[in-house]
Amino acid sequence: GQNIDQPTEMTATEGAIVQINCTYQTSGFNGLFWYQQHAGEAPTFLSYNVLDGLEEKGRFSSFLSRSKGYSYLLLKELQMKDSASYLCAVYPSNAGNNRKLIWGLGTSLAVNP
Amino acid sequence: EAQVTQNPRYLITVTGKKLTVTCSQNMNHEYMSWYRQDPGLGLRQIYYSMNVEVTDKGDVPEGYKVSRKEKRNFPLILESPSPNQTSLYFCASSFLWGTGENQPQHFGDGTRLSIL
Repeated sequence: GQNIDQPTEMTATEGAIVQINCTYQTSGFNGLFWYQQHAGEAPTFLSYNVLDGLEEKGRFSSFLSRSKGYSYLLLKELQMKDSASYLCAVYPSNAGNNRKLIWGLGTSLAVNP
Repeated sequence: EAQVTQNPRYLITVTGKKLTVTCSQNMNHEYMSWYRQDPGLGLRQIYYSMNVEVTDKGDVPEGYKVSRKEKRNFPLILESPSPNQTSLYFCASSFLWGTGENQPQHFGDGTRLSIL
């Protein structure tokens, strides 16, 4: 089957750096997305990786290793507003025209003062 | 402003009373999809549409119907709602063609349905 694993919960301190890991087992690979979701709100797009390496976007960076089926989201200079769930999602190669993402269950990050 | 608009945002209703959740996007996206999100189960796809008059089942389609008569609209219909359809529902849309980095799914604000 196809599966994405993420830690369920993490805590960190305001101003610190946190790394959220995601491992995936899918039928092929066509790209990986990270989304942020505040409680009761819509997921919002953070980053996309399709090639190995690091993509940096301001305080957020995302890394991908296709050979290891592994990605991480790095959040720097944490702020209280970063308290949210972070969802990892993968396009498997058999998604076809259904842009059907395989979703992880999300990592709930709590940022403490 | 580019957005996906869902209505209603909240609804409490009773078993068996037909309801429709509307979804509209103004980004000219070909692809639209409905998800439900439940604690411990994550996002699960209900139905999707690749273009006008083209719809297909996702992972959990039982008890739901959809239609895509216009490109911008993709309503979700519950003909005879039951309590196990109590959930948080999201509509999402994206471009179908091009590279993945241009195709993140844009989500509506969600509809919280309670079926008593």
